[in-house]
Amino acid sequence: AQKVTQAQTEISVVEKEDVTLDCVYETRDTTYYLFWYKQPPSGELVFLIRRNSFDEQNEISGRYSWNFQKSTSSFNFTITASQVVDSAVYFCALIPASNDYKLSFGAGTTVTVRA
Amino acid sequence: DGGITQSPKYLFRKEGQNVTLSCEQNLNHDAMYWYRQDPGQGLRLIYYSQIVNDFQKGDIAEGYSVSREKKESFPLTVTSAQKNPTAFYLCASSINPANQPQHFGDGTRLSIL
Repeated sequence: AQKVTQAQTEISVVEKEDVTLDCVYETRDTTYYLFWYKQPPSGELVFLIRRNSFDEQNEISGRYSWNFQKSTSSFNFTITASQVVDSAVYFCALIPASNDYKLSFGAGTTVTVRA
Repeated sequence: DGGITQSPKYLFRKEGQNVTLSCEQNLNHDAMYWYRQDPGQGLRLIYYSQIVNDFQKGDIAEGYSVSREKKESFPLTVTSAQKNPTAFYLCASSINPANQPQHFGDGTRLSIL
């Protein structure tokens, strides 16, 4: 079985501050896929990034960056120079290659960015 | 525009009543999913369907039923056997293989009268 842990329940920052969301995962599979999704107040989940277990390169997309470290089973997400529009719930999720229909989500981290 | 449509947005259920949540997609995706979201618990998989006329139980299937008669549609019925149905329900779809990103609808919020 797999498990995704997001230890931070809520984070509150002032606009322009950086914020890092932690994600730690467990799986017995050597091949797996990690995801981050954003859930704004409107409710739908928006896909942010997908990373497979063989690609440990960090990635940057605008103000978003991701740090994947297999040695510590972590896939952390940083928002640089946060904006009010970044306020949302962010979910980390994992799919193992042994059952690639079963996406396991962390409990989510609520990010509030104050003006 | 391509996407996933869930209806209704809000739904109320009386005791002992079955209710059906609609999910339609025009993305031509083979796989579809239903999730339940409770506060502080993330999303949990109820049922998924890899292809038309086939579906599998997820982690919390008890008290729910689904059908997949058309590629575009994957309705979820919350039966009277589901004793705690109040939650936010999200439908998703993906291409195969399913390790690709899932696309989500706007959700249905179900409450008990």
